[in-house]
Amino acid sequence: GENVEQHPSTLSVQEGDSAVIKCTYSDSASNYFPWYKQELGKRPQLIIDIRSNVGEKKDQRIAVTLNKTAKHFSLHITETQPEDSAVYFCAARASSASKIIFGSGTRLSIRP
Amino acid sequence: GAVVSQHPSWVICKSGTSVKIECRSLDFQATTMFWYRQFPKQSLMLMATSNEGSKATYEQGVEKDKFLINHASLTLSTLTVTSAHPEDSSFYICSATWGLAGADTQYFGPGTRLTVL
Repeated sequence: GENVEQHPSTLSVQEGDSAVIKCTYSDSASNYFPWYKQELGKRPQLIIDIRSNVGEKKDQRIAVTLNKTAKHFSLHITETQPEDSAVYFCAARASSASKIIFGSGTRLSIRP
Repeated sequence: GAVVSQHPSWVICKSGTSVKIECRSLDFQATTMFWYRQFPKQSLMLMATSNEGSKATYEQGVEKDKFLINHASLTLSTLTVTSAHPEDSSFYICSATWGLAGADTQYFGPGTRLTVL
């Protein structure tokens, strides 16, 4: 089955700087890669997703890149703000399955 | 649109009792619902996948007789934790999708925090 690894587990960046979170997946059949933001005690919120037919997707300060050959995908947050502080999860889903497998999470802290 | 609710939001129970958690899709018909468990500072671990009108598919290591899942309608799935023990204390989150199998977006409920004394 699918296995998703995520790094780093914690990340602290200065406000205004960029943050990058990286994930790898094991199942070459995976074709959908969402990223979720979860604040303490709250539900995960989808912030961006990418499908395997594209290599990059951007939405304002957030971008995701996908390297299918290497089975890597990354989340990039530019011009970080205090409200970006949260736990971020990457995830992957194979086309043949409906379930999504989550990475272990990255706790992002933005220093003022 | 695409709102998923859970009830209760939190529950405290005694060891040995059973607890039922409801997951509802409020403005769409959910063909598939998922149940996750999240321990403090950990990731979401998929427990089972539930399709309306059929038996749930449990992930490896999840006891189906302990975690009973019923998906009786397209808008409601329930998770019953039977004979709960302190180690079952966790944050339980459901999610729902609609459409064809493999539909992309999952909409998450707000979660239920279970504490077993």
